[in-house]
Amino acid sequence: DAGVTQSPTHLIKTRGQQVTLRCSPKSGHDTVSWYQQALGQGPQFIFQYYEEEERQRGNFPDRFSGHQFPNYSSELNVNALLLGDSALYLCASSLYNRLSGNTIYFGEGSWLTVV
Amino acid sequence: GQNIDQPTEMTATEGAIVQINCTYQTSGFNGLFWYQQHAGEAPTFLSYNVLDGLEEKGRFSSFLSRSKGYSYLLLKELQMKDSASYLCAVRGNNQGGKLIFGQGTELSVKP
Repeated sequence: DAGVTQSPTHLIKTRGQQVTLRCSPKSGHDTVSWYQQALGQGPQFIFQYYEEEERQRGNFPDRFSGHQFPNYSSELNVNALLLGDSALYLCASSLYNRLSGNTIYFGEGSWLTVV
Repeated sequence: GQNIDQPTEMTATEGAIVQINCTYQTSGFNGLFWYQQHAGEAPTFLSYNVLDGLEEKGRFSSFLSRSKGYSYLLLKELQMKDSASYLCAVRGNNQGGKLIFGQGTELSVKP
């Protein structure tokens, strides 16, 4: 049973560029959430996708966008990269209608460095 | 607003017991999670509380008081490998299971 997989694991981009990060949820899960974790901080919620629609969004600018595909996998896109976008980007998968128990699983994350 | 507070740093001695506190104010509540995160790695799940009381799992225990908006993580028989950041997170009652995290407590275990 595959867990949550993310790619790429590490990448370096230049200011102004665009980046796409990918996530495949745990088998049987239908919801993907994205978090940004800056160095020394806790993860911050970016947005969440269910049934190919953005369902909730945190306090992030429109430069951050996403997509969910029919197979439940998801992409996070960041445009016009800033130095401050350097962070660990975490993907979490869950079941949209199940709020009991430990049903949230994190991937290993994608380390983005903007230079 | 929604807020989760935990100490920034703690230091403890190998073999000792340490308690990491977390207080929260959120618009909804559907469970509190504790995660361990070693430097450069993703968070790993430690414990989950949704009802008041103590949950024990080996050397780790977690306590929750919903009326006080308070939780703690108790680590016993500390080992050097327990040096890590410990994250407290609350799940709201919206569908989808969004987590709100504290900033993390950096625990240093010294010999």
